Amino acid sequence: GAVVSQHPSWVICKSGTSVKIECRSLDFQATTMFWYRQFPKQSLMLMATSNEGSKATYEQGVEKDKFLINHASLTLSTLTVTSAHPEDSSFYICSARAGVGDSYNEQFFGPGTRLTVL
Amino acid sequence: GQQLNQSPQSMFIQEGEDVSMNCTSSSIFNTWLWYKQEPGEGPVLLIALYKAGELTSNGRLTAQFGITRKDSFLNISASIPSDVGIYFCAGPTGTASKLTFGTGTRLQVTL
Repeated sequence: GAVVSQHPSWVICKSGTSVKIECRSLDFQATTMFWYRQFPKQSLMLMATSNEGSKATYEQGVEKDKFLINHASLTLSTLTVTSAHPEDSSFYICSARAGVGDSYNEQFFGPGTRLTVL
Repeated sequence: GQQLNQSPQSMFIQEGEDVSMNCTSSSIFNTWLWYKQEPGEGPVLLIALYKAGELTSNGRLTAQFGITRKDSFLNISASIPSDVGIYFCAGPTGTASKLTFGTGTRLQVTL
């Protein structure tokens, strides 16, 4: 089956530093990757959609200069939280989709990365 | 934006009991998805529904696509301890089939 990995699985950083999270599709090429954020006891909220080789599309209210997304290859997308602050502490989950276009194709989710900003 | 409301918000049941939960939307969906998320993990797809009125099973799980296309239901029969987790409905919308997730139903199973 399709497998998506994330690295690291957890990270603790000091306020003001930047943190990079990697999302990889291990056995398929992902034309589109999605980044979600999940606060404790809440649902997943889509942050942005990234397509390989193009700029990410951010959801309303998500600061693109704070959450930098790079989708440099068909198997790797990275999310960098710049100048992280305690309110950025959350569970970040990526997903990857192999299909193209607007019709539904299954998204495969990574195991998540827990970010704690001190 | 679209909202998916799930009920109940949480359930505490005994092992062996059947479970029912639902998901309602303010707008129509053409696909309904049910996911399970365990603590510290990403969500895992349980069942996908593609047609109004469709009833689909996956082991002890059965899900239905409401005929109005604004709701869906998930049933779990004869619950076991490993059913513990948060169950989310979701629907794809817009470009690239972005997913909107429901508010979630937290299931606890006691022995």
